[in-house]
Amino acid sequence: AQKVTQAQTEISVVEKEDVTLDCVYETRDTTYYLFWYKQPPSGELVFLIRRNSFDEQNEISGRYSWNFQKSTSSFNFTITASQVVDSAVYFCALRNSGNTPLVFGKGTRLSVIA
Amino acid sequence: GAVVSQHPSWVICKSGTSVKIECRSLDFQATTMFWYRQFPKQSLMLMATSNEGSKATYEQGVEKDKFLINHASLTLSTLTVTSAHPEDSSFYICSARDPSGIKQPQHFGDGTRLSIL
Repeated sequence: AQKVTQAQTEISVVEKEDVTLDCVYETRDTTYYLFWYKQPPSGELVFLIRRNSFDEQNEISGRYSWNFQKSTSSFNFTITASQVVDSAVYFCALRNSGNTPLVFGKGTRLSVIA
Repeated sequence: GAVVSQHPSWVICKSGTSVKIECRSLDFQATTMFWYRQFPKQSLMLMATSNEGSKATYEQGVEKDKFLINHASLTLSTLTVTSAHPEDSSFYICSARDPSGIKQPQHFGDGTRLSIL
């Protein structure tokens, strides 16, 4: 069975602070895919990143970075120098191989205060 | 631009009404689409997997007679909430699987906010 755990329900930071959103996953598949999505108040899901299970290289995209560690089954997301526009709910998700759906964590609500 | 179009984006209707939500893949063929439901301040929960030309597969606890899914073409899946009641009020999001999508194999619609009075 697949499971995604985002232990942080809500995080509040002051603008320009760095913040890390945690994600721990469970799966029995050896091939799987990990994702992060942003959901602003308007509701649409904004794709941020996808990671394959066989690629543990960390990734940086502007102020965003991701740390994938298979040894701890974690796929954490860091926002550097946070901005008010980063305020949203962030979902970590997992998909096994094959024609399977995404399974989402419960999400972390991030509030960045000016 | 959007590659999955979901319509309508917002519906308010009376209890007992049936509501149809459409999900279209705009520039790719989707043999598989997924329907999710999201209650306020909660996560997205998979309701069903819709396969073109065959019956949908429903998750445990989702009533198939209440949430009718039709995937009659490679670019369109519909979800009909039959005889909707206030407890069906939620945010419904569809997703289409893009077989050629390397970086992003699953695209999401912008969602439908359903409010039953």
